[in-house]
Amino acid sequence: GAVVSQHPSWVICKSGTSVKIECRSLDFQATTMFWYRQFPKQSLMLMATSNEGSKATYEQGVEKDKFLINHASLTLSTLTVTSAHPEDSSFYICSAMGLAGTHVVGEQFFGPGTRLTVL
Amino acid sequence: GQQVMQIPQYQHVQEGEDFTTYCNSSTTLSNIQWYKQRPGGHPVFLIQLVKSGEVKKQKRLTFQFGEAKKNSSLHITATQTTDVGTYFCAGVEYGNKLVFGAGTILRVKS
Repeated sequence: GAVVSQHPSWVICKSGTSVKIECRSLDFQATTMFWYRQFPKQSLMLMATSNEGSKATYEQGVEKDKFLINHASLTLSTLTVTSAHPEDSSFYICSAMGLAGTHVVGEQFFGPGTRLTVL
Repeated sequence: GQQVMQIPQYQHVQEGEDFTTYCNSSTTLSNIQWYKQRPGGHPVFLIQLVKSGEVKKQKRLTFQFGEAKKNSSLHITATQTTDVGTYFCAGVEYGNKLVFGAGTILRVKS
């Protein structure tokens, strides 16, 4: 149980295009999903917290107009990188937190990640 | 803002040797979590520590949470090649927001 999927697993795009990444909790409902980016051999940096049905909360320094987050249901959150540039190339990982009482409180289940390369 | 420091950055051990990674938070935490990320993989939850001075064990892994709830450690006894990966601590000051340490990369020579 507690599986999180991400799609696509990797994407290569041209500079200036937009890319949408999907994060799904497959066997549980997630009230909260998180989006991280991870540069090679570095730690995970939280970009934003996404709650179902409400606006995402972005971390300081993350442009909300560039990284659009939509949490349309209890099992799906999407991250759209708008007008992508080479410096946006990174590994984007989502995580999901289950409803209270279903898992260890605070435990996050991570997706497999999406590697974005912007040419 | 909250910062979580983790050392060492990298450790290469002989199979059978012990391994320890340490985390220190700039602020008092409500809880600390530990994750393992295998090369090419994604972080996988290992454990959560909530109480001051708490010690938890999972087979060869021992996790500790400091009395002041600002530091934590993960100790692996008699490492095996399957222990290879990056170990991250992640502190929670309030709410559900995780602040990750830089991670410790563990390599095991057989």
